[in-house]
Amino acid sequence: AQKVTQAQTEISVVEKEDVTLDCVYETRDTTYYLFWYKQPPSGELVFLIRRNSFDEQNEISGRYSWNFQKSTSSFNFTITASQVVDSAVYFCALSEPTGFQKLVFGTGTRLLVSP
Amino acid sequence: DTAVSQTPKYLVTQMGNDKSIKCEQNLGHDTMYWYKQDSKKFLKIMFSYNNKELIINETVPNRFSPKSPDKAHLNLHINSLELGDSAVYFCASSQGGSVSDTQYFGPGTRLTVL
Repeated sequence: AQKVTQAQTEISVVEKEDVTLDCVYETRDTTYYLFWYKQPPSGELVFLIRRNSFDEQNEISGRYSWNFQKSTSSFNFTITASQVVDSAVYFCALSEPTGFQKLVFGTGTRLLVSP
Repeated sequence: DTAVSQTPKYLVTQMGNDKSIKCEQNLGHDTMYWYKQDSKKFLKIMFSYNNKELIINETVPNRFSPKSPDKAHLNLHINSLELGDSAVYFCASSQGGSVSDTQYFGPGTRLTVL
């Protein structure tokens, strides 16, 4: 069965610190997709990134970067120079290739960035 | 323009009542989903529809009945509401429902059953 583990329940940092959110997944499939979503205090779910299992290149988007390592089944998310607006719950998700897509979510990591 | 919208945003009701949540997407997507987020923030898929056809039906009580009148709409009707149904319900949509597609979520509907 597919599984996503986000072991960090809550992380607190001070503004401008770098922070890494961990995501470890389990799957028997060779083709799969991983996602990160952000849920700010307002409650909506915002898509951040999608990565397929064949592309292990790291990705950078502004202050956000993602490190995908197939060898350790991890897809970690780093925020550089964190800001108060980064405070949110962040979810990692795995797409099950069962004909039609079904996302399996991790339990989320709450990030608190204080000024 | 809102891509995926849900109404209402908040719903407070008594146990035993029947209620509906509506979802609409203007992205031209073929696939729509309902997710439930519990009090611990855990997100779990309930249903998915592709071109108005039910594709995924997780182990959800029969009291929950989704209805898709067209590709752009997916409504969720809940009969005989129970305390345990209190949660945030999210609607989402994706282009075609394949493993590579990205799901875009609505703002959520917070349901409180008293």
